[in-house]
Amino acid sequence: QKEVEQNSGPLSVPEGAIASLNCTYSDRGSQSFFWYRQYSGKSPELIMSIYSNGDKEDGRFTAQLNKASQYVSLLIRDSQPSDSATYLCAVIAQNKLIFGTGTLLAVQP
Amino acid sequence: DGGITQSPKYLFRKEGQNVTLSCEQNLNHDAMYWYRQDPGQGLRLIYYSQIVNDFQKGDIAEGYSVSREKKESFPLTVTSAQKNPTAFYLCASSSQGQGAYNEQFFGPGTRLTVL
Repeated sequence: QKEVEQNSGPLSVPEGAIASLNCTYSDRGSQSFFWYRQYSGKSPELIMSIYSNGDKEDGRFTAQLNKASQYVSLLIRDSQPSDSATYLCAVIAQNKLIFGTGTLLAVQP
Repeated sequence: DGGITQSPKYLFRKEGQNVTLSCEQNLNHDAMYWYRQDPGQGLRLIYYSQIVNDFQKGDIAEGYSVSREKKESFPLTVTSAQKNPTAFYLCASSSQGQGAYNEQFFGPGTRLTVL
C-alpha cells in the first residue's frame, strides 16, 4: 500500500463547477496535510495546509480532513481554466513529508 | 524579494561527468531539502539538512552528495555513480526541520538531462 494515494486522473470539470480532489494516507500518526499545485513544467506551489479535523477555507479552496478515515480532500469552487494543473497531496509522517503522485485537473472552458 | 533560487534552469550532462546544482534561499529558513521528480512518480527525497554543517540521507541518496556550509545555500552534486540522473530536481526549504507544522516551499527547479 502506498503511503499517500491519489487518483492520477485526469479529472475533467466544466468551468464554474466544483472540483473535488481526494487523497488517502496510510500512517495513522500523520499530523499535517498539505496541498500543492503544480503547473506543467513548473515547481510545486503550496496552496493549503490543514492540521485538524474538519474544513479549512481559503478563497475558492476548501481543504477537508478526516483523520478517522485517513482521508483529506481539496475542493475548488467556481473552477477556472487557470486551475488546470496537477494537485499534489503531501502528508507529514514520522517527521518526513511524503507526497502522492498527484491528480491532473482539467477545467474545460 | 524573499524566495528560493535554483540554477541553472536546464543542465545537460555527458555520461561520466559530475554536475552541481545550486540552491539558495533568503527566507532565513533552517531546513533545506533536495527532491527528484520523475514522470508519473511522486517527489522523492534525496538529502535534507536541518542545520548548517549537518545533513541526512533521504530515500534515494545513492549517487548524490551535498554540503551545507552556509544557512542560505545547499548545493547538490550529481555524481557519475548515479545511474539514471535525468530528472527534474527541486530544492525546498522550511523554517524548521521537524515538527507538525513543517511547511516546505519550493524553488523553480533544475531540469537535468544526460546526453
